[in-house]
Amino acid sequence: DAKTTQPPSMDCAEGRAANLPCNHSTISGNEYVYWYRQIHSQGPQYIIHGLKNNETNEMASLIITEDRKSSTLILPHATLRDTAVYYCIVRLPLRRQLTFGSGTQLTVLP
Amino acid sequence: AAGVIQSPRHLIKEKRETATLKCYPIPRHDTVYWYQQGPGQDPQFLISFYEKMQSDKGSIPDRFSAQQFSDYHSELNMSSLELGDSALYFCASATGTGVYEQYFGPGTRLTVT
Repeated sequence: DAKTTQPPSMDCAEGRAANLPCNHSTISGNEYVYWYRQIHSQGPQYIIHGLKNNETNEMASLIITEDRKSSTLILPHATLRDTAVYYCIVRLPLRRQLTFGSGTQLTVLP
Repeated sequence: AAGVIQSPRHLIKEKRETATLKCYPIPRHDTVYWYQQGPGQDPQFLISFYEKMQSDKGSIPDRFSAQQFSDYHSELNMSSLELGDSALYFCASATGTGVYEQYFGPGTRLTVT
C-alpha cells in the first residue's frame, strides 16, 4: 500500500470548514484513498473514500487531485465533536487491512 | 443500526496470564480484523479472517492466536502476557462486497500488571 504524509496537527474554528491535506505521491492506479478518524480512544470511524473523482457524503467531501498524488478531506462546518485524529490511508479495495500512519490531530476551537 | 460488539470492554491481567478477547461483527459481515493500539500509538494490524479462514497476518506475536467461528464471531487469545501487551484492542468487520470499508468496535482495554 502507498505511503501517506499528513501534517501532525491542525486547528480549526468551530463553524468553519476544516481542510485536511494528505500526500500520497506513490499511489498506484487501483489504490483507493480512505479517510478514517479516531475520537479519543474510541474505535476508528470510516468517513469517506475515493478513487479518482471527488466524493461527498453526509460527513465530508474528498477532493483528489488529477494526478492522484494528494487529496484533501473537507469538513464543511466543523463542530467541537469533530476534534479527533484523522487518518488518510491508501490501499487496494480488496479485503486488506488498514495501515494507519501518524494522522492529523484536528482540534476544533470554540 | 447494529454495530461491532467487543467483550470485555476492560480487562486486567497479571504477567504470564492468558486473556481471551471476543468480537461479534455486524450481522452479515464475513470479514473480521484485529488491531492493537498501544498508549500514544496508532492502531497496528494484527490479523484478519474472511469466511472463517485467516486472510492476512500482521505484527501479531507468536503468543497470540485467533480464530473466526461458524457464526462469524472471532476470538483473540493471548498467552504469557507481558507488560507491553497493555493496549486497546480493536476489532473491525466488513462485508465482502464493494470497497470494504471497515467498521470498528469500541475496543477492549487490556491492562497487564
